[in-house]
Amino acid sequence: AQSVTQLGSHVSVSEGALVLLRCNYSSSVPPYLFWYVQYPNQGLQLLLKYTTGATLVKGINGFEAEFKKSETSFHLTKPSAHMSDAAEYFCAVSWNTDKLIFGTGTRLQVFP
Amino acid sequence: DTEVTQTPKHLVMGMTNKKSLKCEQHMGHRAMYWYKQKAKKPPELMFVYSYEKLSINESVPSRFSPECPNSSLLNLHLHALQPEDSALYLCASSRTGTGNTEAFFGQGTRLTVV
Repeated sequence: AQSVTQLGSHVSVSEGALVLLRCNYSSSVPPYLFWYVQYPNQGLQLLLKYTTGATLVKGINGFEAEFKKSETSFHLTKPSAHMSDAAEYFCAVSWNTDKLIFGTGTRLQVFP
Repeated sequence: DTEVTQTPKHLVMGMTNKKSLKCEQHMGHRAMYWYKQKAKKPPELMFVYSYEKLSINESVPSRFSPECPNSSLLNLHLHALQPEDSALYLCASSRTGTGNTEAFFGQGTRLTVV
């Protein structure tokens, strides 16, 4: 079955440290890949997406992600965390359909 | 205008009430979605409208009834809800329903069923 997995429901980093949030999908056919961020009591905001082309994708707020087909992964990174990055992050995938499938989410905490 | 607007922001309703959630977008998007999100969980897809036709119904109970009056509007009619239906209801839209265009989300309606 096609699915998406986010390893680590909670990630804690110090301000200024590297952020790495993991996302893997299970399918022999690569999906379209998205990362969304959700701040408390708000909707979801797109950080970045991969559909075709360059496998290293840059998004908003200094985030980037790399699609690695051999590893079926689309991990999200940011070189230096800010306090304002504290939020819930969702990886999402779709396969040429209306249906967007979300991972279980990773809560990022940033400590001063 | 890159916004999806949802009203109301908060709603408290009794189990015998009838209410509606509304969603509007003016981006010319042809796919619109309803998601339900419980606390500390990812959004769960409920319904998808593609070109104003219902294309996906994820086995949602009939007490939830979607409606798409035109390409800019999406409603969710609620009737005889249960307390476990309390959640954040998110509306989203995308340019097409082919999966390769991102979904834009509204701020959600926080629904409490008492």
